[in-house]
Order: sequence, then C-alpha cells, then structure tokens
Amino acid sequence: GQQLNQSPQSMFIQEGEDVSMNCTSSSIFNTWLWYKQEPGEGPVLLIALYKAGELTSNGRLTAQFGITRKDSFLNISASIPSDVGIYFCAGPLYGGSQGNLIFGKGTKLSVKP
Amino acid sequence: DAGVIQSPRHEVTEMGQEVTLRCKPISGHNSLFWYRQTMMRGLELLIYFNNNVPIDDSGMPEDRFSAKMPNASFSTLKIQPSEPRDSAVYFCASSPRGYNEQFFGPGTRLTVL
Repeated sequence: GQQLNQSPQSMFIQEGEDVSMNCTSSSIFNTWLWYKQEPGEGPVLLIALYKAGELTSNGRLTAQFGITRKDSFLNISASIPSDVGIYFCAGPLYGGSQGNLIFGKGTKLSVKP
Repeated sequence: DAGVIQSPRHEVTEMGQEVTLRCKPISGHNSLFWYRQTMMRGLELLIYFNNNVPIDDSGMPEDRFSAKMPNASFSTLKIQPSEPRDSAVYFCASSPRGYNEQFFGPGTRLTVL
C-alpha cells in the first residue's frame, strides 16, 4: 500500500544551523503537505505543494515538490529553539475521498541553544 | 477565526467507563477526521465524514468505538467500555471542500486507568 518514509527520524542540531529533511514514497503524489507538531498540541500545516518541481517558502521554511512526484523536501534555515517539534509530511491517499491523507512517521527536531 | 475545537483537553477515567470526545470543525469545512496518536503507532486515521456522512470507518479499532456527526458543526467519538490500551491522544481535523489540507484541533489526551 501507499507509504511515506521520512528521514531522518530525529535530528539534534545547534541553534543557527540549517536543517534538511525529506519524505519519499514508491507511489506518485499530486499534493504534498508539511506539518509541524509541538509537544501537547495538534499538527499545524506549514506548507502545501501542488505541482511537481514547485518550490514554496514560508519564512525560514522552504519546501520542494520533487520532480518525480515521489518525494518532497523541507529545509529550515538558521534554526532557532522554537523550531523544536516533530515535522510530518502527508499526501492524499490514492483513490481516497477528498482530504483523506496518509502521514509519514515524522522527523523529530531538537535545537540546542 | 476559530480553529477546530475539541473537548475535553484531558480525560482520565477508569477501565470500563464510557468516554465521549467532542469536536467542532472549522465553519464551512465539509470533511471531518478523527485520529489517534500514540508513540508506538504514530498518527492513525480512525474514521472520516464527508458532508456529515461516514465514509470510511475501517480504522476504528473495534466495536467499542463509535463516531457520529449529527450536523455540520459537531461530532463525537465514543468509547464504551474503555480499556487501558485506549490511552492516547485523539485528534479531530477538518478540511474544506475541494482541498486536501486538513486542519487539526489541539487534541484530547485520554488516560484509562
């Protein structure tokens, strides 16, 4: 079945460093979504991507829709302590109804001040 | 604008008791999703509704779980009887018509003793 594989599973970085994480699948997706979840809160939508090759920014965050449509990347520049959280990628389930998403297992980001 | 509203935020109950979780989706959204999140299994879709109609409940663990959406602005997830293995964070999310993006509530942390 469709699966989303996120890597790395966790990252420990120093404040100010850039971060890169990715999400891959053996299936083609026509939408990629990136969420961030902070402790004790629900996932919050960061960026949505709709076209292969698309590059979209949201502040210090930049995400790209892979040209093969089987992967997506999220970069965070000049990380700060409030970037701590779990980052999930998600995409619509093939053949599913509107909004039915599958989620990756997440990349847990820790930032040392 | 109000986001997805869930209540209660925390629930502690004893095994065998009935538990009811509540969700108010974002006004105008036509799809509603119930998820369960645990460390072991990550984010699992339990059931979702389109236009108040249940579309797919294959994620509901067993008959002890039931969900209703009597109108466009309210949904409940009920567990009866509850068991310790039901302890998890339960999220509700909603999605606007024609879009794959889901918007999550803050979650209900359920502890069954």
